[in-house]
Amino acid sequence: AQSVTQPDIHITVSEGASLELRCNYSYGATPYLFWYVQSPGQGLQLLLKYFSGDTLVQGIKGFEAEFKRSQSSFNLRKPSVHWSDAAEYFCAVVRSNFGNEKLTFGTGTRLTIIP
Amino acid sequence: DSGVTQTPKHLITATGQRVTLRCSPRSGDLSVYWYQQSLDQGLQFLIQYYNGEERAKGNILERFSAQQFPDLHSELNLSSLELGDSALYFCASSPPGGGGNIQYFGAGTRLSVL
Repeated sequence: AQSVTQPDIHITVSEGASLELRCNYSYGATPYLFWYVQSPGQGLQLLLKYFSGDTLVQGIKGFEAEFKRSQSSFNLRKPSVHWSDAAEYFCAVVRSNFGNEKLTFGTGTRLTIIP
Repeated sequence: DSGVTQTPKHLITATGQRVTLRCSPRSGDLSVYWYQQSLDQGLQFLIQYYNGEERAKGNILERFSAQQFPDLHSELNLSSLELGDSALYFCASSPPGGGGNIQYFGAGTRLSVL
């Protein structure tokens, strides 16, 4: 069965500092990969996705992620965080075959921003 | 705004009761997914419907059931509620085309079972 691991439960960074959130997946083939963000009391908003092609993908709000097949990783990065980035971030995968489209989520990483 | 509407936003009920959560997908989306978010289980897939038919089932309890109507809105029915059913329930929708399509999430229904 596919699985997603987000090893960091909670990360604290200073405003203006760079950020990297880790995500590793376990699946025999390359799945579709996603990063979602959940602000307090809100639903899940898609930040970016990877299906194929260029392994560095750009998303909204200045986020990017890099797919590394050799490491089964899809880490999320931002060069300079803003206080409004404080939220919970979820990495997710979908198997690539039609008809099995459920999202499997990691446990999430809570991001705290300090002034 | 994702375009996915969930009602109600909050639901407080007692153990043993039955509730219905409603979801209206984005215009044109044929797939509806239900997810449960709880502190101990995280985000878990419950069930998917595609154009009125059940397509995939996840960790959905027998006390829970869902359906998708001809107008494509969906309802999740939870019965014989237990304290452990307290969670945030999300609905998501996606257009036709397979696993590569983005799932757009509603704001969720927070269920509190007392």
